[in-house]
Amino acid sequence: NAGVTQTPKFQVLKTGQSMTLQCAQDMNHNSMYWYRQDPGMGLRLIYYSASEGTTDKGEVPNGYNVSRLNKREFSLRLESAAPSQTSVYFCASSGTGNQPQHFGDGTRLSIL
Amino acid sequence: GDSVTQMEGPVTLSEEAFLTINCTYTATGYPSLFWYVQYPGEGLQLLLKATKADDKGSNKGFEATYRKETTSFHLEKGSVQVSDSAVYFCALSDLTSGGSYIPTFGRGTSLIVHP
Repeated sequence: NAGVTQTPKFQVLKTGQSMTLQCAQDMNHNSMYWYRQDPGMGLRLIYYSASEGTTDKGEVPNGYNVSRLNKREFSLRLESAAPSQTSVYFCASSGTGNQPQHFGDGTRLSIL
Repeated sequence: GDSVTQMEGPVTLSEEAFLTINCTYTATGYPSLFWYVQYPGEGLQLLLKATKADDKGSNKGFEATYRKETTSFHLEKGSVQVSDSAVYFCALSDLTSGGSYIPTFGRGTSLIVHP
């Protein structure tokens, strides 16, 4: 069972570069989420998609954009990377209603 | 808004010791409650859950009881092992005014178990 797959696992960028983090799930889940995890800050929600075709801002959306390409895939884009966006990024998905989330293994992103 | 507060770590124990990690919450509705575990270099995994008051979630020797009167969901294990060393997150999931279920996480508690 693949579950939630994130690519790439590691990435180093220079300030001002752009990149897209990819996420795909194979559990037929409606909802998908992007988080960032920083030391001492826990998980902070960047964007979420409650269903195919909809996206909404979370707690820290500035500097990011998302695309729910289809039911399986939910990508996160950094248009102009900044050192403050150095973090570990997690994608998650969940089924309908109050279901637990399933997480990918994360993308470790460093911006120099 | 909803919030989750859990004890700060790290919590350091010897193998076979008793574990408690405290978690309290505030919520406007009737949330479901979860504990997740994160091992080094991995994403979060669901450890256990409870969906209504007085429910007890349990898994791998860990337990937590949904206490609505004290708005708490403390994680316990009777005898920890070195392999339990990880970061533990308490979370709730509640229905927002927009009709979506958005989870709220605590900041995580690191557990270190020594042989």
